[in-house]
Formats: sequence, structure tokens, C-alpha cells
Amino acid sequence: QVQLVESGGGLVKPGGSLRLSCAASGFTFSDSYMSWIRQAPGKGLEWVSLISTGSTYTNYADSVKGRFTISRDNAKNSLYLQMNSLRAEDTAVYYCARSETGYEYFQHWGQGTLVTVSS
Amino acid sequence: EIVLTQSPATLSLSPGERATLSCRASQSVSSYLAWYQQKPGQAPSLLIYDASNRATGIPARFSGSGSGTDFTLTISSLEPEDFAVYYCQQRSNWPPLYTFGQGTKLEIK
Repeated sequence: QVQLVESGGGLVKPGGSLRLSCAASGFTFSDSYMSWIRQAPGKGLEWVSLISTGSTYTNYADSVKGRFTISRDNAKNSLYLQMNSLRAEDTAVYYCARSETGYEYFQHWGQGTLVTVSS
Repeated sequence: EIVLTQSPATLSLSPGERATLSCRASQSVSSYLAWYQQKPGQAPSLLIYDASNRATGIPARFSGSGSGTDFTLTISSLEPEDFAVYYCQQRSNWPPLYTFGQGTKLEIK
């Protein structure tokens, strides 16, 4: 079955950097658009970034543009999110999510990894 | 950017009752709307896509309807496991930008 397992979260100071990873299994990773979605404590869902199957297209929410970079390694079935210049408002659980054909929706989600930005 | 507004923010009902949740879009999204369920401490899971299609394994008591700007998620007879937070979601055409509603918390009365 489809599995998405995030890692790399933790406590980081404002202005610091962190790299999240998502290990995928149970499906053809290279055929799927992938996204990162976050959820601040006690708040709703916010889409962060999207990457196409061959990494030719990426897109970002305005709130992270210029600070975050999404990437993938299809040979390793892995998705990444490099987060720089972190702010307190980036504190959230970060989920990786898979989109099927058409990439309108998020059919599968990982369990999430918590990023805390605090001094 | 399309804004999704969900109502009510909180809905208090008893098991066996019918639940009706609303999602309104600031402009037409045709039928490209999804609903997700999130239980405490868990990731969201897809319930309904394309406004009215149940995702794999979703019970028939869940149904979605609507098109354009007004959408409804209906749970015909609430089971104890249905008490959770529900989000609607859409994707703009190009560039692809995704937005979620702010959520409706369905709680036990």
C-alpha cells in the first residue's frame, strides 16, 4: 500500500535552515506529482509547494517563495523540502502528499513531521 | 486567489443524526472540489473528489454535492468515528495553487 514517511523536523532558531525528507513506497513515485502541506498548531491546512514528476515544474505559496525549495530524487523515491530563513510563523507539522492523475487533489498523505522555529 | 469559506465553524450533533457542511468559493471552481477528514493527531484523508465522487473505501453515508461556488458535504447518519474536522480544497487552473477552507469541526453533542 502507499506509504509516505516524513523526517527531518525539529527545533531551529529564527533565521536557521532545515531540510525535510519524505520517503515514498507502494506506488510509482516517478509518475506522481508531490506536494508539501503544513498545519500550524491548532490551525488549518496550508499548501506549501508542488513539484512535477520530472522536477521540470515547481510552484510555491507566496508565504514561502524565495525561502523554501522543493526537490525530488526519483531514483531514491524521495521528496525534499529545503527551508531557509525560517520564521516563527513557519512552525507547523509538515506533510508530504501525493497527487494522482490531474494533480487536483491529495490522495495520500504522510503522518507529518513537526518543525518548531523558536529562539 | 480563490478563497474557500466553510460553515459552520463548529457543528454539534449526536450519533445517528444527519450532518450538512457547507463550502463556498469566492469564484467558480466548476466541480473541482475535494473534502478531507482529519481526526486528532492524524493526517487528513481524502473523502470526496470532483465535488461528488467518494474516494476509495469511503462509506456511502458520505456524499458530496454542488458545483460552481456552493458545495455541500452530507453525512447521512453520524457514526462515532465521524466526529472530526472537515476541510474543503480546490486547485486553481494555472499556475496550480491550492487552497483549503478553514475547516468545520464536527463535535458530539
